[in-house]
Amino acid sequence: EADIYQTPRYLVIGTGKKITLECSQTMGHDKMYWYQQDPGMELHLIHYSYGVNSTEKGDLSSESTVSRIRTEHFPLTLESARPSHTSQYLCASSGAGTGVHGYTFGSGTRLTVV
Amino acid sequence: GIQVEQSPPDLILQEGANSTLRCNFSDSVNNLQWFHQNPWGQLINLFYIPSGTKQNGRLSATTVATERYSLLYISSSQTTDSGVYFCAVVYSGAGSYQLTFGKGTKLSVIP
Repeated sequence: EADIYQTPRYLVIGTGKKITLECSQTMGHDKMYWYQQDPGMELHLIHYSYGVNSTEKGDLSSESTVSRIRTEHFPLTLESARPSHTSQYLCASSGAGTGVHGYTFGSGTRLTVV
Repeated sequence: GIQVEQSPPDLILQEGANSTLRCNFSDSVNNLQWFHQNPWGQLINLFYIPSGTKQNGRLSATTVATERYSLLYISSSQTTDSGVYFCAVVYSGAGSYQLTFGKGTKLSVIP
């Protein structure tokens, strides 16, 4: 049962296009995150938010941007997609103190830029 | 930042065999999770286990926080257990909530 939703699941797009990857959660979590993962590799944090109107860059430099206007919604935008942006993008959320569940991840968006 | 090391990097098992995956971390943590990433790229949360022992069916996990390691046990492995297993931690320093991942253990279970 997914409480965090990502769309689209797969996306193939041409170079130079603007894209937005959607992420929504229904758990009321205050903290949300975006991770980037190349196939078979470790996950790297690219953006995070600890609440509405709060966003920070993660450890891995990324040309993407994020916004957090509502608690449940944390979209990621690429203004001009390039082949180097081809990767999987995973959204996650966690609650105050993380509770007994820790982080919950969405199903991911697999992006291919041609 | 905190370092997370997983071993072994690759593991091939015959169906029905048991295995132990290890996760070492370099500093104190207040969150440790084990995930299974299936062939479709989905991360499935197996355990939230910053300390102690938990069991869920054929899987169990133990974290010894004072010695900075965690173990994931898989018993009677099945082909559906194949995939990559990740250990991830949150450093317990003030204001830190970010999950740091290890490089994963790639498990292949063959019939």
